[in-house]
Amino acid sequence: KAGVTQTPRYLIKTRGQQVTLSCSPISGHRSVSWYQQTPGQGLQFLFEYFSETQRNKGNFPGRFSGRQFSNSRSEMNVSTLELGDSALYLCASSLGTGEGLNEQFFGPGTRLTVL
Amino acid sequence: AQSVSQHNHHVILSEAASLELGCNYSYGGTVNLFWYVQYPGQHLQLLLKYFSGDPLVKGIKGFEAEFIKSKFSFNLRKPSVQWSDTAEYFCAVNLYGNNRLAFGKGNQVVVIP
Repeated sequence: KAGVTQTPRYLIKTRGQQVTLSCSPISGHRSVSWYQQTPGQGLQFLFEYFSETQRNKGNFPGRFSGRQFSNSRSEMNVSTLELGDSALYLCASSLGTGEGLNEQFFGPGTRLTVL
Repeated sequence: AQSVSQHNHHVILSEAASLELGCNYSYGGTVNLFWYVQYPGQHLQLLLKYFSGDPLVKGIKGFEAEFIKSKFSFNLRKPSVQWSDTAEYFCAVNLYGNNRLAFGKGNQVVVIP
């Protein structure tokens, strides 16, 4: 079956703008998590959505937000972009319940560059 | 604070050499443990996972890992590496029943033919 897809793959924005990234999970998966990957900080958890509700949240400022739709697709939004937001943003999906709660499958990521 | 530590960030090996990557975590409670691999230009892929049971876990491509609860460790091993094992390897941990993964900084492994 198809894997996790993310759009767009690459994005260039300027400081102060906002951006929306999209993630389509594996069919049947109800949990979507977002991570930020940078050379300095590594992989950091942003938030998780399950059944259209935010279930977990990492330590990122309120400029980072997300949502999940009834078909489990998820979007994350970053407002008032800063240079430090340049990163690879990864989406991961999982079943979200039972033992499968914890095995996450990652998408290819969206490379965001802020100028 | 909860954390995951991976040492020796850069590892260079010759083909057929053995590989061992260390992973230590600081978490209270029951944990799930993972090793992910990121090949050049590809996305993160799951190598192996530990939820419960036999602490010696076998994964794809000949990799295995051993969970030692008393040492809070989950070290990854491969007896004989190939050039195609060149990649970045990440250890990850979460609390049982929680999807929030904490990752180590990764090990960049280069295998020389």
